[in-house]
Amino acid sequence: DQQVKQNSPSLSVQEGRISILNCDYTNSMFDYFLWYKKYPAEGPTFLISISSIKDKNEDGRFTVFLNKSAKHLSLHIVPSQPGDSAVYFCAASAASGTYKYIFGTGTRLKVLA
Amino acid sequence: KAGVTQTPRYLIKTRGQQVTLSCSPISGHRSVSWYQQTPGQGLQFLFEYFSETQRNKGNFPGRFSGRQFSNSRSEMNVSTLELGDSALYLCASSPATGGRADTQYFGPGTRLTVL
Repeated sequence: DQQVKQNSPSLSVQEGRISILNCDYTNSMFDYFLWYKKYPAEGPTFLISISSIKDKNEDGRFTVFLNKSAKHLSLHIVPSQPGDSAVYFCAASAASGTYKYIFGTGTRLKVLA
Repeated sequence: KAGVTQTPRYLIKTRGQQVTLSCSPISGHRSVSWYQQTPGQGLQFLFEYFSETQRNKGNFPGRFSGRQFSNSRSEMNVSTLELGDSALYLCASSPATGGRADTQYFGPGTRLTVL
């Protein structure tokens, strides 16, 4: 049972345009969400997080939106740059004292120059 | 601060053998988690250690085990290797200073190939 789903395995975007990566979750106990970026042969790198008490968090070109009623979050990258080409994972955790993250399967973003 | 380090980076084993992977967390981080990454499966949580105790465990068979030492360094062991164990094994550390999960920082991973 995949509790965190990234239904788009890949996405191509033109340089300078907006990239939107989506993530859905099923467990209503999740209250903390993160996005990681992963380049080949490297470990995932933390990008941005959001707590369930917020619906938006922004950090430079990266903004994460959370829609709790829809159990959906999205990562917006504006403007997209070729260096953003990577695999993006969303992850979720619950505040109930469990200390583990559930990761999605990832979306491969390709930014075309 | 030095990042999370994992050794070895690459490993080739044959079926039936066992393997031990090592992870050194960021200095001051007390929590270490292990993940298995395979194509199409994302990052599958194996287990998490905090203060030398396993605090969480994923849905992997008992062939997968781990431990954490007093300096927070962690090892993961896989016994009786199977072809399906071929994967990238990632270690992540976090401060774990609060009462909940916090941001995890990943190492570069160990690429295990089972022949």
